[in-house]
Amino acid sequence: GAGVSQSPRYKVAKRGQDVALRCDPISGHVSLFWYQQALGQGPEFLTYFQNEAQLDKSGLPSDRFFAERPEGSVSTLKIQRTQQEDSAVYLCASSLALSQNTEAFFGQGTRLTVV
Amino acid sequence: SQQGEEDPQALSIQEGENATMNCSYKTSINNLQWYRQNSGRGLVHLILIRSNEREKHSGRLRVTLDTSKKSSSLLITASRAADTASYFCATDTGRRALTFGSGTRLQVQP
Repeated sequence: GAGVSQSPRYKVAKRGQDVALRCDPISGHVSLFWYQQALGQGPEFLTYFQNEAQLDKSGLPSDRFFAERPEGSVSTLKIQRTQQEDSAVYLCASSLALSQNTEAFFGQGTRLTVV
Repeated sequence: SQQGEEDPQALSIQEGENATMNCSYKTSINNLQWYRQNSGRGLVHLILIRSNEREKHSGRLRVTLDTSKKSSSLLITASRAADTASYFCATDTGRRALTFGSGTRLQVQP
């Protein structure tokens, strides 16, 4: 497809369940980002990949959060033992270049609800 | 934590009026970007202004940047009902990832 694709669009998980969120970036985009957006707030950075290398994971809120991008394309954000506070929209973004001053293209997000 | 703060948090105007949103940030930046988000959707990039630029235009959008005051403004002229959305400023501080503000929710009444 032409844009960043995320799946599933909606996920309801029972507290304690593990979830996996998928992101298909735009083909050829080197950089990939995950953000968490709580209701009524702006996106908050979780982690960043340059190709397959995870260069920054300083935004991951706990060790229950894990992200990977093994072949430098598709990325998966995994949340183990989900908690209610994990309920949010998880946004993936990709950008083409390594240089500064490039825009990021966002997917439509996965809305996670932990019950 | 969020670097930018948008002002106002919410704005309601009539179609045809201009809408102005402001953004303040805390640290040095490489560039500042504005994004729009329709309800339940992803973010759409609107405009990027580099730290050495003071003003930029794109269609009905005008963005200003004052690095001495660490602030930016987004002006939407001749607003339309379709402009109803949340608008976020985002700063690139050199760490690759963008840091977003809390957003302005714009409602344009037809």
